Amino acid sequence: QQQVKQSPQSLIVQKGGISIINCAYENTAFDYFPWYQQFPGKGPALLIAIRPDVSEKKEGRFTISFNKSAKQFSLHIMDSQPGDSATYFCAASISFGNEKLTFGTGTRLTIIP
Amino acid sequence: DGGITQSPKYLFRKEGQNVTLSCEQNLNHDAMYWYRQDPGQGLRLIYYSQIVNDFQKGDIAEGYSVSREKKESFPLTVTSAQKNPTAFYLCASSPGQGNDYNSPLHFGNGTRLTVT
Repeated sequence: QQQVKQSPQSLIVQKGGISIINCAYENTAFDYFPWYQQFPGKGPALLIAIRPDVSEKKEGRFTISFNKSAKQFSLHIMDSQPGDSATYFCAASISFGNEKLTFGTGTRLTIIP
Repeated sequence: DGGITQSPKYLFRKEGQNVTLSCEQNLNHDAMYWYRQDPGQGLRLIYYSQIVNDFQKGDIAEGYSVSREKKESFPLTVTSAQKNPTAFYLCASSPGQGNDYNSPLHFGNGTRLTVT
């Protein structure tokens, strides 16, 4: 039972372009939505996170857009750089419980020169 | 430097053998987790522990066992009962329940286990 659906599975973007990764969820009890970034051979690391009381959160070139009514959220990477090439995971959980964190299936992003 | 150390990075075993993966953290975190990562399936929770001498099954605990005798250590044993043990295993920690619920998971760099 996949509670968080992530798309696309892979994405190729030209340097300087905008990378967009989408996630959808079913469980309306989810109230914490982090994105993790994973480089090859490394563990994931938190990139940015959002709570459903805001529709957008921006940190540098990374923005999460959140649509509560549609139960969707997305990651936008502006001015994409080759160093952004990595696998990105969206996730969702209920408050006070990392053990309840449900991950999406991941998107492998490649930024080409 | 605080962090999570997983060893070894690569591990090879014959089918039918039990194998133990090491995870040590010096972040003084209460909670520790084991995830399994397979291509196209994201991260799935195997076991977690919120306090020393206590642990709980995650979504895919069958064929695995853990112990939490020390706060810093959370070893995972992949037993011969695990039908598809070949995978990338990730250990993580966080300050624990009752702290800032936005506290992120801190991951180690994983152990790639191959069973033939």
